[in-house]
Amino acid sequence: GNSVTQMEGPVTLSEEAFLTINCTYTATGYPSLFWYVQYPGEGLQLLLKATKADDKGSNKGFEATYRKETTSFHLEKGSVQVSDSAVYFCALLTDSWGKLQFGAGTQVVVTP
Amino acid sequence: SAVISQKPSRDICQRGTSLTIQCQVDSQVTMMFWYRQQPGQSLTLIATANQGSEATYESGFVIDKFPISRPNLTFSTLTVSNMSPEDSSIYLCSAEGGQETSFNEQFFGPGTRLTVL
Repeated sequence: GNSVTQMEGPVTLSEEAFLTINCTYTATGYPSLFWYVQYPGEGLQLLLKATKADDKGSNKGFEATYRKETTSFHLEKGSVQVSDSAVYFCALLTDSWGKLQFGAGTQVVVTP
Repeated sequence: SAVISQKPSRDICQRGTSLTIQCQVDSQVTMMFWYRQQPGQSLTLIATANQGSEATYESGFVIDKFPISRPNLTFSTLTVSNMSPEDSSIYLCSAEGGQETSFNEQFFGPGTRLTVL
């Protein structure tokens, strides 16, 4: 079956540090891949997505590249801010209209 | 993007009672989904809310416990029936496939935080 594995948190960083959150997946076919962010007390927001191999999704300084050869979709940001403190979820979608399979989530804490 | 609202935003309920959560989308969408997020955990899909027909439930979730309605293309409800403390979670509604959403993108409501005593 399909699955998503994320690195465990919490990840604690200082402001302006480089952030990487690892995400690997197992899926049949060619899934679309997503990163969602959940700020404290809020619902999920779509951060970025990639729908085919070698696509790079980017938004708000975050980037992730769809690597089919390593079945990965790692999230990166070059210089984090305190406002980036949140829980980040990697997810995949295999159906054209269908359910998202989420990873466990990674909490990121950025300190001033 | 579609804007999704949920009511109530939070509630504290007694064991054995039921709660109905409403989800409203500001535009017509093809698909609506209900997820559960247990404390400190990831999201698990409960069911797909189908307009004009019975919802499609995921393994481990049944209609008697989580009845769902979808009377039109912008609205859905989820009822958590005969609640127990194990039902304490955040329940999230999501939507996909409308004029205000891109293909393959799901947008989420703010969630309903339920505590069962």
